[in-house]
Amino acid sequence: IAGITQAPTSQILAAGRRMTLRCTQDMRHNAMYWYRQDLGLGLRLIHYSNTAGTTGKGEVPDGYSVSRANTDDFPLQLASAVPSQTSVYFCASSEKESGELFFGEGSRLTVL
Amino acid sequence: DQQVKQNSPSLSVQEGRISILNCDYTNSMFDYFLWYKKYPAEGPTFLISISSIKDKNEDGRFTVFLNKSAKHLSLHIVPSQPGDSAVYFCAAVSASKIIFGSGTRLSIRP
Repeated sequence: IAGITQAPTSQILAAGRRMTLRCTQDMRHNAMYWYRQDLGLGLRLIHYSNTAGTTGKGEVPDGYSVSRANTDDFPLQLASAVPSQTSVYFCASSEKESGELFFGEGSRLTVL
Repeated sequence: DQQVKQNSPSLSVQEGRISILNCDYTNSMFDYFLWYKKYPAEGPTFLISISSIKDKNEDGRFTVFLNKSAKHLSLHIVPSQPGDSAVYFCAAVSASKIIFGSGTRLSIRP
């Protein structure tokens, strides 16, 4: 069972370029999330989706957009990357309202 | 303004002793609280949770305590083992949003 698959694992990107971080789950979970992890700041919620066709803003949504065309896929788009978006990005999914999340392995993004 | 705070960035505990990780929160509307464990280069994994209507939940070596009046929760690990060395995040759930603290790095020394 794959669970959550993220791609790419790592990417170096020039500032101003467009980037899509991909996330796919095979657990048929309704809710999906994107977090970024930064030293000293922990995991901060970027965007979330409670079910296919709906999305919501988290704590740090600026500069990012998401779409949820189906249950399995939840891509994160950076329209014009900036160095402050250098981070490790984690996608997660959940079935329960209690917040038990299943995380992917992460995507390390460096914006130069 | 951080709604979920872990004020200790790191903690070192001797193997076999008790590890106590602390977390404070500001929003009294949180429904659930959770602890996650993270090893380097891996995604966080769920460890244990507690509903806001409970004050204690135990699972093997792990116990989570919730003090609603103080808006404080703690994770107790006893006895601590070398494999417990990791970063621990507390998290709180409200209205479909799951907010994490900044994490505490736990090191178990021989």
